Amino acid sequence: AQSVTQPDIHITVSEGASLELRCNYSYGATPYLFWYVQSPGQGLQLLLKYFSGDTLVQGIKGFEAEFKRSQSSFNLRKPSVHWSDAAEYFCAVQGYNNNDMRFGAGTRLTVKP
Amino acid sequence: KAGVTQTPRYLIKTRGQQVTLSCSPISGHRSVSWYQQTPGQGLQFLFEYFSETQRNKGNFPGRFSGRQFSNSRSEMNVSTLELGDSALYLCASSFGGAGTGELFFGEGSRLTVL
Repeated sequence: AQSVTQPDIHITVSEGASLELRCNYSYGATPYLFWYVQSPGQGLQLLLKYFSGDTLVQGIKGFEAEFKRSQSSFNLRKPSVHWSDAAEYFCAVQGYNNNDMRFGAGTRLTVKP
Repeated sequence: KAGVTQTPRYLIKTRGQQVTLSCSPISGHRSVSWYQQTPGQGLQFLFEYFSETQRNKGNFPGRFSGRQFSNSRSEMNVSTLELGDSALYLCASSFGGAGTGELFFGEGSRLTVL
C-alpha cells in the first residue's frame, strides 16, 4: 500500500520569505501525488496534483511542486509567502489503479509578520 | 455547482451511543470516501464507496460502517462510541474511476464523545 511522510510537523517563515514543504512517498510504481491545504475548521482544498508528464507542476495561490522520482519526493514550494498562507498542508498519494488516497501527517505553517 | 455537503456539522454524544453522519457528494460524482481526522493520528482513511459498493477499507474496527445509496449519497455509522472516536469526520467525493485523482472535500462533521 502507498504511504506518505511529511518530515516537518511545524514550520515558521516570515512573510515574503520563500517556502518549501517536504514530502516523501512510498509506492511500487509512480503514483498520483497531491498537495492539499486546510484552514482551521475547514475541509481540504486541492493546491495541485501530479499525474504524469512535466515534473514541475503549478497550482493555485502561487504554489508549485516538483516530482523527483529518484528521491521519491514531491516537495511544495512558494517563492514569497503571504500571511494568508498560514494553514496546515497535506501531501497525499494515490495508487494509479485504485481510488484509495493516503495522506501524510501534515505540516502546520505559521507566517510571521 | 454545489460542493460536498456534510451533516450535521457538529454533534455531541456520550460513550456507548451510536451516531450516523451524512454526506451528499458533488452532482455526478459516484465515489465517496470517508476520513477520520484527529490531532494525534492525522487523516486516516475509513472506507470508500462506489456505486453502492464498498471498494476500499481502512484499518478501523467493525464499529465503523458505511453505506451508499443509489443517488451516491453516503452515510457512515459509528456504534458503541468511545472517547477516542472524538474527531473531525471528513467526506470526499470524486468521479470514481480507478485512480481518477482529485478528491473534493466537505467541511466535515465534528464529533465529540463525552
